[in-house]
Amino acid sequence: GENVEQHPSTLSVQEGDSAVIKCTYSDSASNYFPWYKQELGKRPQLIIDIRSNVGEKKDQRIAVTLNKTAKHFSLHITETQPEDSAVYFCAASKNTGGFKTIFGAGTRLFVKA
Amino acid sequence: NAGVMQNPRHLVRRRGQEARLRCSPMKGHSHVYWYRQLPEEGLKFMVYLQKENIIDESGMPKERFSAEFPKEGPSILRIQQVVRGDSAAYFCASSPDRVIADGYTFGSGTRLTVV
Repeated sequence: GENVEQHPSTLSVQEGDSAVIKCTYSDSASNYFPWYKQELGKRPQLIIDIRSNVGEKKDQRIAVTLNKTAKHFSLHITETQPEDSAVYFCAASKNTGGFKTIFGAGTRLFVKA
Repeated sequence: NAGVMQNPRHLVRRRGQEARLRCSPMKGHSHVYWYRQLPEEGLKFMVYLQKENIIDESGMPKERFSAEFPKEGPSILRIQQVVRGDSAAYFCASSPDRVIADGYTFGSGTRLTVV
């Protein structure tokens, strides 16, 4: 069935360093890959997304890359700040099946000041 | 636009009781998705509904769980005879009619605690 795997489960970085979170997906029909940030006790919020016709997308300090052949996609956060500390979820969806979104298990990011 | 509204925010039930979780989609949205998040875990798809129809319930446990989205009123996720393992945060998201996949706007969630 559809599956999204995410690594690492926990990531600790020093303020100012970069953080990279990696995901793989199993359904080759997936063509939309959003990333969500969830702060403690809050709802997940969409922070960036990428579609399958694009290999890379950047928005200020965050960027996503997609390798369709390998079914890998990654989130890159540069110049990390303490407020980046949260749980990050990757996800995959497609234009059929009701646009159901499958989430990875999450990465808990700690940014140490 | 008030966004996706979920209530209650917190719900405490004793084992064996029923839990009813409500989700009002954003204005103009006719599609609702329910997800469950166990403590320290990711979001697991439960069910996808359009007005008056269940489209995909592949993530719903076979027993005790049901969902509806009536023509009028919010979507309801109902858990009968709750057990401790049902303790989790339940999030819903809504969307308009779509032709391509897109991101979700989630509600604030209902945190169910079974004691």
